[in-house]
Amino acid sequence: KNEVEQSPQNLTAQEGEFITINCSYSVGISALHWLQQHPGGGIVSLFMLSSGKKKHGRLIATINIQEKHSSLHITASHPRDSAVYICAVGETSGSRLTFGEGTQLTVNP
Amino acid sequence: EAGVAQSPRYKIIEKRQSVAFWCNPISGHATLYWYQQILGQGPKLLIQFQNNGVVDDSQLPKDRFSAERLKGVDSTLKIQPAKLEDSAVYLCASSLGKGQVNYGYTFGSGTRLTVV
Repeated sequence: KNEVEQSPQNLTAQEGEFITINCSYSVGISALHWLQQHPGGGIVSLFMLSSGKKKHGRLIATINIQEKHSSLHITASHPRDSAVYICAVGETSGSRLTFGEGTQLTVNP
Repeated sequence: EAGVAQSPRYKIIEKRQSVAFWCNPISGHATLYWYQQILGQGPKLLIQFQNNGVVDDSQLPKDRFSAERLKGVDSTLKIQPAKLEDSAVYLCASSLGKGQVNYGYTFGSGTRLTVV
């Protein structure tokens, strides 16, 4: 079992839909990251959070430390949101990040 | 603030050839990471530097991969000789502090390597 599990693996939505991507982890963490990766390969950090909720534009990230679960929400989705979204956790025992397998999001016009 | 710079963006080589990737982290970032990301998978850490010293290279295939960060700033990752299974995106990242991943963790754009 992977230490970081994301769901769904693939998600197709229509423009304007509300989208949720989930991340569960099994290790103690110091923080959780949500990352966005476009087809070119580069990764952009969207959020880093260790508790509660953060919002940036149409993106919202939440984390429940007790349940070891985080969600990334996209409101009013747009085709330019199409990308791979990766959840990564910074473990309390060390300094490396452990990554989920990613969720491929496709938003159709 | 400039981001993490990587070059080249793309590279195609034949198996058994050698290849080198370069990374320049954000100024002042003491910790530098090289990740390998195979298509459809999450990134896997290859090596982590703290200044010019290696902190973690447990997942680096040392028979063919090598990396250095001689002056504690930019870094090179080399593969010699390359195999077909080395085809992947190679990502460089950097962060502030003494290996604290949560301090300004920033990724470069990656180098997409295709071995034919």
